[in-house]
Amino acid sequence: QVEVVESGGGVVQPGRSLRLSCETSGFTFSNSAMHWVRQAPGKGLEWLAGIYGDESNHYYVDAVEGRFTISRDNSKNKLYLRMSSVRVEDTAMYYCARVPCVTSCPTGGFDKWGQGTLVVVST
Amino acid sequence: QMTQSPSTLSASVGDRVIIKCRASQGISNWLAWYHQKPGKAPKLLIYQASTLESGVPSRFSGGGFDTEFTLTISRLQSEDIGTYYCQQYNSWWSFGQGTKVEIK
Repeated sequence: QVEVVESGGGVVQPGRSLRLSCETSGFTFSNSAMHWVRQAPGKGLEWLAGIYGDESNHYYVDAVEGRFTISRDNSKNKLYLRMSSVRVEDTAMYYCARVPCVTSCPTGGFDKWGQGTLVVVST
Repeated sequence: QMTQSPSTLSASVGDRVIIKCRASQGISNWLAWYHQKPGKAPKLLIYQASTLESGVPSRFSGGGFDTEFTLTISRLQSEDIGTYYCQQYNSWWSFGQGTKVEIK
């Protein structure tokens, strides 16, 4: 069955860097676009970044453009999020989510999610 | 920009519940709905505005096109409590602010 498991969260000081990982199994990874979504404590969902299955395009929300980098290794079925110059407001649960098509498509809801990894930015 | 209404909804078991989602610009039918229970990851309910995800109970239905969309729960069950989000994926990706559903 499809599995999506995030890791790499923890407590980090403002201004430092952190890399989140998302390990997947049970599907053809390169056939799926992948995304990162976060949820600050007590708040709603915020889409952060997405990458197509063929790595042809990357997309970012304005709030993280230039600070966060999404990448993937199709040979390892893994997705990554490099977070640089982190801020207190980046404190959140970070989710990895799958779209069941290579790029963007009409049926492109986020159909599989991991359990999330918690990032706390604090001195 | 996606705007949901209401922000909070309290209803009795067996009630019909309707949640609305408005897009700031036309998105065709590139819209999904999710349900999130406290402490859990969101779960996809509906995509392409009205297509039920596999395994989702038939009491859930979605409708709408362009800028106005609805999620309907025909008969509310206790396990339906939590927060519901709409999401557009026509132009990049964005979520509504959420609608919290409680049992009266």
